[in-house]
Amino acid sequence: DTEVTQTPKHLVMGMTNKKSLKCEQHMGHRAMYWYKQKAKKPPELMFVYSYEKLSINESVPSRFSPECPNSSLLNLHLHALQPEDSALYLCASSLLGDTQYFGPGTRLTVL
Amino acid sequence: RKEVEQDPGPFNVPEGATVAFNCTYSNSASQSFFWYRQDCRKEPKLLMSVYSSGNEDGRFTAQLNRASQYISLLIRDSKLSDSATYLCVVHRGDSNYQLIWGAGTKLIIKP
Repeated sequence: DTEVTQTPKHLVMGMTNKKSLKCEQHMGHRAMYWYKQKAKKPPELMFVYSYEKLSINESVPSRFSPECPNSSLLNLHLHALQPEDSALYLCASSLLGDTQYFGPGTRLTVL
Repeated sequence: RKEVEQDPGPFNVPEGATVAFNCTYSNSASQSFFWYRQDCRKEPKLLMSVYSSGNEDGRFTAQLNRASQYISLLIRDSKLSDSATYLCVVHRGDSNYQLIWGAGTKLIIKP
């Protein structure tokens, strides 16, 4: 079973709102990832957690705040976003640094 | 030069045709290679990992030429359901977690 789940599927938020995206996997994977994908572009890496520790932050603005409460869960806290942050946000996981499996994504619209 | 380059597409081919995708990568230290497919407004899904010896999965065959830093994907007897964007993905040589994505090639299978 290579299932990564994400909630919500869709999210519309204003620029002053605070919201969170959630990601879960029960495959025993020890690396989890957040990506952002704009239309007709490949995914862009935002953050990597390895063994529940943040190991890579690709210079993402502080209005995006990741959190890894345990080895199965990954959150992305959103605050004071801009309309250009509207995108598909994808979570992925891998056993370690190998094949990555993606969740269905959260389609975010910032008004 | 882009780190991973793919045919720009789109490819419009009739059902039943054979389709070939090409990809080149620039980092000779890269060790892992993948083809993902992505349907419109969906997440990327792993199609195949690519091994030096070449690998086949039903109608799909992937080849890797390390000397030429070239990866290929062949789809035989194409189906309407093969319509998607095909992404060539390479692990960065100096990072277990970071993937380098090609821009993707859109495939449209016509009845």
